[in-house]
Amino acid sequence: KAGVTQTPRYLIKTRGQQVTLSCSPISGHRSVSWYQQTPGQGLQFLFEYFSETQRNKGNFPGRFSGRQFSNSRSEMNVSTLELGDSALYLCASSPLVGINEKLFFGSGTQLSVL
Amino acid sequence: AQSVSQHNHHVILSEAASLELGCNYSYGGTVNLFWYVQYPGQHLQLLLKYFSGDPLVKGIKGFEAEFIKSKFSFNLRKPSVQWSDTAEYFCAVNSRGTDKLIFGTGTRLQVFP
Repeated sequence: KAGVTQTPRYLIKTRGQQVTLSCSPISGHRSVSWYQQTPGQGLQFLFEYFSETQRNKGNFPGRFSGRQFSNSRSEMNVSTLELGDSALYLCASSPLVGINEKLFFGSGTQLSVL
Repeated sequence: AQSVSQHNHHVILSEAASLELGCNYSYGGTVNLFWYVQYPGQHLQLLLKYFSGDPLVKGIKGFEAEFIKSKFSFNLRKPSVQWSDTAEYFCAVNSRGTDKLIFGTGTRLQVFP
């Protein structure tokens, strides 16, 4: 079974630009969560989607948005990029909703904002 | 707001030394508790979890963790570490009734032969 796939693996952008990251969950998984990982901050929860609906949202500004498609694939968008948005963005999928029994993580997208 | 604290940011040990990594959370209700590990160059993966029952849980690779409700803690232990345990370890908490999994800031463990 293929794991969680995130594309692209690396991304370099400049301030003010926008970026879209993609995540394909494990086949059969319908829940997708997004996290921002930075040194010293750990993983910070961005949002979670299930059946194309956002179920939970973390404490990030409205520049961060996401969506989920009918095939469970998810995208995350960050508009008007700031230097502080440089981070590893991780996507995780799980088969169940409502119980974070086990999350399966992707390798992440390393975003650098110059 | 719910939070998770990992006070050890960087731990350096020699092989065969014992390990204990601290994890404290701030939520007073019923919680699910997790430890995830990220080996160099690899995905985050689940090490062990606690939902209910015996507060001493055993995970993969000889790790265990003890849930102490009165102390709001879920410390990770291993009696004898190996060089291959070098990784970053994250504690995470999910309060029952929500779907958010809140992670701590992580502890970087370096084990020297």
